[in-house]
Amino acid sequence: GESVGLHLPTLSVQEGDNSIINCAYSNSASDYFIWYKQESGKGPQFIIDIRSNMDKRQGQRVTVLLNKTVKHLSLQIAATQPGDSAVYFCAEINGGYNKLIFGAGTRLAVHP
Amino acid sequence: DGGITQSPKYLFRKEGQNVTLSCEQNLNHDAMYWYRQDPGQGLRLIYYSQIVNDFQKGDIAEGYSVSREKKESFPLTVTSAQKNPTAFYLCASSYREGPSGANVLTFGAGSRLTVL
Repeated sequence: GESVGLHLPTLSVQEGDNSIINCAYSNSASDYFIWYKQESGKGPQFIIDIRSNMDKRQGQRVTVLLNKTVKHLSLQIAATQPGDSAVYFCAEINGGYNKLIFGAGTRLAVHP
Repeated sequence: DGGITQSPKYLFRKEGQNVTLSCEQNLNHDAMYWYRQDPGQGLRLIYYSQIVNDFQKGDIAEGYSVSREKKESFPLTVTSAQKNPTAFYLCASSYREGPSGANVLTFGAGSRLTVL
């Protein structure tokens, strides 16, 4: 919702730059990871996912990197645009979606 | 368009009142979920349902109730027993209960409940 972005870490980038949003996950047994984007007043929108048997996956302008050794996930956005401004959540899972664990989120602010 | 519809988008409640949030999906998904979102926190699971006429408690079910009489509908009632109900509530659905192939968790636009 509108207040989701409050009290969250914020990453400020210039339009056209690349953005890297980081996430530390908690469960070494998690085998599936998702990045969601949430714009103000809207529900989370799926961006990209990755399974634990991979360390990198690319989508359109986005790349997810997984480092299982340090339990770290990152989302890279190339050529960041104003429309990318939102709160970004990582989520981890081991099993069904009822066991999905969400991070607190990072707010991405894109400046012209 | 296929999707998840939540209503109302904004709702105000007096203390002691029960309120019901609607969630309808036309994605033919079997599983549906309710999450609560508070500022600065990740989403927390309230209830979920993997099939009609069956539902399970999530991590923060106290003070909430649900029903799943139809595949398309999963309403959430916030009861007066919920001590801190002001939050943003998100409904989601998935084809199956877990990620498989292109099966992703899809969210509605949310309902913001404010207790006066």
